[in-house]
Amino acid sequence: DAGVTQSPTHLIKTRGQQVTLRCSPKSGHDTVSWYQQALGQGPQFIFQYYEEEERQRGNFPDRFSGHQFPNYSSELNVNALLLGDSALYLCASSWTGVESPLHFGNGTRLTVT
Amino acid sequence: KQEVTQIPAALSVPEGENLVLNCSFTDSAIYNLQWFRQDPGKGLTSLLLIQSSQREQTSGRLNASLDKSSGRSTLYIAASQPGDSATYLCAVRGLYNAGNMLTFGGGTRLMVKP
Repeated sequence: DAGVTQSPTHLIKTRGQQVTLRCSPKSGHDTVSWYQQALGQGPQFIFQYYEEEERQRGNFPDRFSGHQFPNYSSELNVNALLLGDSALYLCASSWTGVESPLHFGNGTRLTVT
Repeated sequence: KQEVTQIPAALSVPEGENLVLNCSFTDSAIYNLQWFRQDPGKGLTSLLLIQSSQREQTSGRLNASLDKSSGRSTLYIAASQPGDSATYLCAVRGLYNAGNMLTFGGGTRLMVKP
């Protein structure tokens, strides 16, 4: 049973560019969340998708957007990249149930130069 | 706004020691608290999940306790091994979140020396 898979594993972009990160949830999970983890810090919640809609959003600007597909996979898009967007981007999946634990992927390391 | 703090930020111990990692949170209105392990450059592995109605959870050499009223949790690691070296993160899920958003602490970086 595959867990949460993310692609690509590493990415280097230039300031001002746009990037798309992808996530496939663990089998049977219907909810996908995205987190940003700067070096040496804990992950920060970006947003969560359920039934192809954004259900909750953290304190991130509109440059960060997402999408969830009918097969529950998800994309995170970041426009107009800034140096400060360099981080490990983590995808997590779960059931929609309130007590469902999150399962995390290995992340995408984004470097903005 | 929920804030989660982990102390210490870093810890280095010799192999075989028992150790305690601390996590505190400011808002006691939580559904659950989860402890994760993160190896360098990797994702998060869930270690223990404690529901708000529970006091502790155990898995092997790991024991996590939760005192919701005081906003504290501890992760106890018995007989530490070099393979336990990693960053340990605690995270809480707030009672009033529409989804299951987690608020994380900054983590404790653990080094267990042979």
